Amino acid sequence: KNEVEQSPQNLTAQEGEFITINCSYSVGISALHWLQQHPGGGIVSLFMLSSGKKKHGRLIATINIQEKHSSLHITASHPRDSAVYICAVRKNQFYFGTGTSLTVIP
Amino acid sequence: EAGVAQSPRYKIIEKRQSVAFWCNPISGHATLYWYQQILGQGPKLLIQFQNNGVVDDSQLPKDRFSAERLKGVDSTLKIQPAKLEDSAVYLCASSTGQGSEKLFFGSGTQLSVL
Repeated sequence: KNEVEQSPQNLTAQEGEFITINCSYSVGISALHWLQQHPGGGIVSLFMLSSGKKKHGRLIATINIQEKHSSLHITASHPRDSAVYICAVRKNQFYFGTGTSLTVIP
Repeated sequence: EAGVAQSPRYKIIEKRQSVAFWCNPISGHATLYWYQQILGQGPKLLIQFQNNGVVDDSQLPKDRFSAERLKGVDSTLKIQPAKLEDSAVYLCASSTGQGSEKLFFGSGTQLSVL
């Protein structure tokens, strides 16, 4: 059983669409991270949050600690947003989801 | 600020050969992680260092994998001998080591074992 579950696994969207990626976790955590991984590239940390909501440009991340759930939203999606988005939670160590592969079509 | 440096970027070897990966974390970061990421999966922790000490190596296949961080700065991860199932991206990450800190990743080493 994976401590972190993400949905959907794969997502294709038209440019401009609003996108939501979901993450559920089963362990008590000190922080949740949203990461972005481009093909052949390294992983970039987008957000680290332990409560509420954070916004950076067109990206918004929310977390509900009671429900052990987080969402990553992308507004006005663009082809350059195409990447794998990974949810990771930290307890004593980091636990990673398997990622959501996003493709934004022009 | 320089990021996490990893080398080589790509490596192709035959099974039963040996391979080593190198990582230099962000300056001042006490915690260093090595992760294995198999295609289509999330990263899996192999080993975590705090300075030059091992915090967690419970998922490191110790019969063939070894890692060291002798001076508490850069680190090497070795596989000897490699198996086909070791084909993966090996990611190094670092953090300050102070509570709910952000993780910084290197660009990874893509290993293909033939």
